[in-house]
Amino acid sequence: EVQLVESGGVVVQPGGSLRLSCAASGFTFDDYTMHWVRQAPGKGLEWVSLISWDGTITYYVDSVKGRFTISRDNSKDSLYLQMNSLTTEDTALYYCAKDNRHRGFGSSAPDYWGQGTLVTVSS
Amino acid sequence: DIQMTQSPSSVSASVGDRVTITCRASQGIGSWLAWYQQKPGKAPKLLIYVASSLQSGVPSRFSGSGSGTDFTLTISSLQPEDFATYYCQQASSFPYTFGQGTNLEIK
Repeated sequence: EVQLVESGGVVVQPGGSLRLSCAASGFTFDDYTMHWVRQAPGKGLEWVSLISWDGTITYYVDSVKGRFTISRDNSKDSLYLQMNSLTTEDTALYYCAKDNRHRGFGSSAPDYWGQGTLVTVSS
Repeated sequence: DIQMTQSPSSVSASVGDRVTITCRASQGIGSWLAWYQQKPGKAPKLLIYVASSLQSGVPSRFSGSGSGTDFTLTISSLQPEDFATYYCQQASSFPYTFGQGTNLEIK
């Protein structure tokens, strides 16, 4: 059974930094591209970032470029999101999600999602 | 960025009804469209990918169609567990983008 468990969400002040983690199990982690998707309270879904199965290719939504960095450690079956220069606009539930393409990239869909970790940016 | 617009934003229906939700892309995306269902307090669940392929384990009353800029999600006979919010998502180009969501409510 695929399991994705996010952690690291806390209350942080504007301008602060945070690293989210996602522990994966139930599938061969280093065969799949991974995503971060967020959802502000009471709002819709926003795709944030993607990293290819081998970690060589990354993409970001414009609003986080230069502030967030996605990474992975395939030896630990773990995905990360380093978040810097946080603003109130980054307050959201952050989901880690597995891509549905085996050793593929792009033109895909996140098929399994964790339960999310809540990041609150507030003074 | 490609904008995804869903309609309606909200719909009320009864158990047994047939419901169709529409998603329009601001430019052509081929068939690179997915549909998700989200219930309150839960993570999204993938229903349909590549516009019309049913994700494993999803009931056959869900179906998707379309290509280019116009897509539909159809639920052929609503069940009580189908009342939720539905999102479309384009995967044609980065950044991936979602529609604003359609809230399917019980009439």
